[in-house]
Parts: sequence; C-alpha cells; structure tokens
Amino acid sequence: RKEVEQDPGPFNVPEGATVAFNCTYSNSASQSFFWYRQDCRKEPKLLMSVYSSGNEDGRFTAQLNRASQYISLLIRDSKLSDSATYLCVVPANTGNQFYFGTGTSLTVIP
Amino acid sequence: DAGITQSPRHKVTETGTPVTLRCHQTENHRYMYWYRQDPGHGLRLIHYSYGVKDTDKGEVSDGYSVSRSKTEDFLLTLESATSSQTSVYFCAISERGGRQPQHFGDGTRLSIL
Repeated sequence: RKEVEQDPGPFNVPEGATVAFNCTYSNSASQSFFWYRQDCRKEPKLLMSVYSSGNEDGRFTAQLNRASQYISLLIRDSKLSDSATYLCVVPANTGNQFYFGTGTSLTVIP
Repeated sequence: DAGITQSPRHKVTETGTPVTLRCHQTENHRYMYWYRQDPGHGLRLIHYSYGVKDTDKGEVSDGYSVSRSKTEDFLLTLESATSSQTSVYFCAISERGGRQPQHFGDGTRLSIL
C-alpha cells in the first residue's frame, strides 16, 4: 500500500459547486497533514495544515478521520481560479520527510 | 512568500555532463529538501538535509549527490547527467521537519539531451 493515496480525478465541476477530495494514508501515527495546490508548471503552495480533527479557511475545509485514516478537502462555491492540482502530504514516521500523494486534478467550468 | 531561490530556473545540457542546482533560503530553516516531479509520479524525494553537513537519501537518490556547507545553501549535483534525469526539480524548506509544512522554491526545469 502506498503511504499516501489520492483519486487522480479529473474532477470537472461547474462554478459555484461544492467538491470534495479524499486522501488516504497508511501511517496511523501521523499527527499532521497538509494540503497543497499546484498550478500547471508552478511550485506547490500550502493551502491548509491539519493538526487535529480539521481546519477551515473561508471556502476550504479539511477534515481528518483518524479511524479510517483519511483526510478530506472540501471546496465550497467553486471559483474558476480554484482549477489546479491538489496534493495531500503526510509526514513520514522519521519526522524528517514527507510523503506526497500524486494529486487530484480539479477543473472548474464556467 | 518564503525566501527560497532556485538557480538556474532552466537548463539544457548534454548527457554525461555534470550539473549543479542551487537552492538558497533566507528563512534560516533547519530542513531543506530536493524533489523531482515527473508526470505520473508526483513529487519524489531525492535527498534532504537536517542541518549543516547533515544529509540523508530519499526515495530516488541514485545518480545524485548533495552538499550543505551553510544553513542557507543546499546544492544538488548530477555527476554525469542522463536523459532519465530530465525533470522539474523543486527545493523545499521546513523549520521543524514533518511537524510543520514545507515551502517550495519556483523550480528548475532541467533537460538532458
């Protein structure tokens, strides 16, 4: 099993829609989780950190389910500018490294 | 934005030549990382550093070496570049390793012909 797994999509949603992505992880001891967005040919940029059950920032909500070992990212009222690839990141057991999912592609359609 | 500068931003070179990529940070973060990103593979760790002169291998370290003689600089060297090392290379920094998020540089697009 991979350390971090994401549905690659693509997710194509209309403007204003709500969309959710899931990310499953294998290390049950993980304490912190991160969502990044990456635009085409650009660097990943931190979207949200999750250290407890979840986090919310405007239209974005991340929720952690430790029992089932997944974290989700919910985007409400999708904007065209939300079109990007969303990466799920989980620290390794060693605490020094990070495991990256391969990303979920989102396209918001006018 | 985190103060991370990668150089060069683009490079085209020939198989068999040595190549060095530089990552410079102004944040005084302890941890620095080199990743490569290829279609279908996502981000893969090459090497990382947890302090001056302290480095360790990542998932895809073969064919690469690194050095960190100062806190602010982390160099990635391809001793003899091969076409399979054509990729986009990202440097990242983190203040406290896995307990805090990483921040990425703009990337270096490297083509080996």
